[in-house]
Parts: sequence; structure tokens; C-alpha cells
Amino acid sequence: GAGVSQTPSNKVTEKGKYVELRCDPISGHTALYWYRQSLGQGPEFLIYFQGTGAADDSGLPNDRFFAVRPEGSVSTLKIQRTERGDSAVYLCASSFRGGGLYNEQFFGPGTRLTVL
Amino acid sequence: AQKVTQAQTEISVVEKEDVTLDCVYETRDTTYYLFWYKQPPSGELVFLIRRNSFDEQNEISGRYSWNFQKSTSSFNFTITASQVVDSAVYFCALSLKSKLTFGKGITLSVRP
Repeated sequence: GAGVSQTPSNKVTEKGKYVELRCDPISGHTALYWYRQSLGQGPEFLIYFQGTGAADDSGLPNDRFFAVRPEGSVSTLKIQRTERGDSAVYLCASSFRGGGLYNEQFFGPGTRLTVL
Repeated sequence: AQKVTQAQTEISVVEKEDVTLDCVYETRDTTYYLFWYKQPPSGELVFLIRRNSFDEQNEISGRYSWNFQKSTSSFNFTITASQVVDSAVYFCALSLKSKLTFGKGITLSVRP
């Protein structure tokens, strides 16, 4: 079956602009996660959805970052007033169930965001 | 707070050599899972292995094996008879309350 997909694969924007990044999880997966990976670093957790609700948004760096998952499937990560420091690869992952430590997370290919 | 440390940053080996990737973790929780992920040049993270905090039995799966020791908070990963296709960045990760905490990764280069 299809894996996690993310669009766009690359996004170049100017400082101050608004961007939306989309994630389409594996069908049937109830949990969805967003991570951010800066160059030379490991992925850093941003937010976790269980169904439609954000179960843990402790990783969002500030109020410019927001994510939604209105129907419990596709999720959109929204970044307002982008800054050069937001440049990174944004990774999405999904798992069959959330809330448990065991669940293997399947990652998408990521969206590379570049803020000029 | 939880933390994962991968002290090695880059490792280069010749094909067919064995290579061990080190991982040390910190957590106050008694229940957790540890993972190894591989990130090839294409960029997509690929799950390799998983271990829970209650099972210190070490295992072998094909060319992969791992050594989990709670006493030293280490979860080391070994690739036997390395191949060029093993060249990638390898991440160790700690799972607490669903989210993963990753180390900085180890870049493995396997030369023919």
C-alpha cells in the first residue's frame, strides 16, 4: 500500500510569508506526527495528533506554527511570518495507534522548506 | 527530560567489515522503547529495530544485531559484513509518550 506522502517536496518562500505543508498518512493510521530536521541534526518533535485532536503540541517552537487535522486523516502544518531560521526539512510520520510507546512510526519523504 | 547521545559522528569502513554504532540515552521513565532508524541519501527515514525497556535480550536479525544494556543506558547497533548500500545516516531514538527523541545521527560510509 501507499506510504506517507508529503507535499510539496520542496518549498522556497520569502521571509515573512505564510506557508502550508501537507501530510497524507498511511490509510487507517490514527496517529500522525510532525517533526523538523535541521541540517546535520536528528528530527525534532513538533506535534502529535490522535485522530482529529492534537494530543501533544509541546514541540511547536512558537505561536507562528500551527497544525490541523480536521477529518482525522490529512494534516496541514501552517507557518506564519516565516523566518530564515524556519528553513529545514519537515517530516511527517504516522502510526497505526498512538498513545503507546510501542508503535512504529512510518515516515514520509519530507518537505524541504527554504526561507530566503 | 530525555536525551539521546550518539557520540560518533562519522564512520568509514571497507565493505564486509563489521561496524558498531553507539547510542546512550537518558530518561527517568522506567517504561520506554528504543529504536534505530536509517536515513539513506534519498532522505526518507526507515525503521530498523525496536526494543522495550523490559527486555534486555539481545537479538540478531539478518546482518543486524543490537546490544541493549540498561545498566549503562546503552543501545548499540551492529551491522555485520557491511555493504555499500548500508551507507546512510543512522539515528537512535527514544520513545516516551508517543513522541520520538532522536540523537544527532551517525554518518556511515561503506567503501567498496
